[in-house]
Amino acid sequence: GAVVSQHPSWVICKSGTSVKIECRSLDFQATTMFWYRQFPKQSLMLMATSNEGSKATYEQGVEKDKFLINHASLTLSTLTVTSAHPEDSSFYICSAPGTSYGYTFGSGTRLTVV
Amino acid sequence: RKEVEQDPGPFNVPEGATVAFNCTYSNSASQSFFWYRQDCRKEPKLLMSVYSSGNEDGRFTAQLNRASQYISLLIRDSKLSDSATYLCVVNRQAGTALIFGKGTTLSVSS
Repeated sequence: GAVVSQHPSWVICKSGTSVKIECRSLDFQATTMFWYRQFPKQSLMLMATSNEGSKATYEQGVEKDKFLINHASLTLSTLTVTSAHPEDSSFYICSAPGTSYGYTFGSGTRLTVV
Repeated sequence: RKEVEQDPGPFNVPEGATVAFNCTYSNSASQSFFWYRQDCRKEPKLLMSVYSSGNEDGRFTAQLNRASQYISLLIRDSKLSDSATYLCVVNRQAGTALIFGKGTTLSVSS
């Protein structure tokens, strides 16, 4: 079936550094990728939608200069958390729509900023 | 008001119990409806789609009432392995992002 590979699974970084999260579609072409964030005991909140070859669309309240999204190819979308701070610590997960298998999710990245 | 609202949890039930989860959504134009299961901050996994005619998958029964914008999930004969967070999910339009409820935590004990 359709698989989205997300890396890293977890990362610990120092405050002020940047972290890149990658999502690769392994056996299908993902023209669109949704990026979500989930804080403890909260729902998955849509942060942004990335589209191959065009600018990402950000949800209200999400800083586009802080959360850089790149969708350079049909199989790779990346989210870079720039100048990370402890309040950015969260579970980040990507999802690609529209395959015959429905929506496919990456396995998620647990980011801890210390 | 959040677009998808779910029962506050947690639900703590013994094995073999029947448990029901409820969910309401605010956007009447929503087109597709789902229940997902999420284990311990892992990725959510599709449990079942929800249709107006109601649908059943083994011990799980889902129901959609478009008029009242209400979705339900019934789990019969609960197993320990059913312990998880159940997410009510709607989709406004095919190909757009899924909208998640906060989730209801179920804990099944022996």
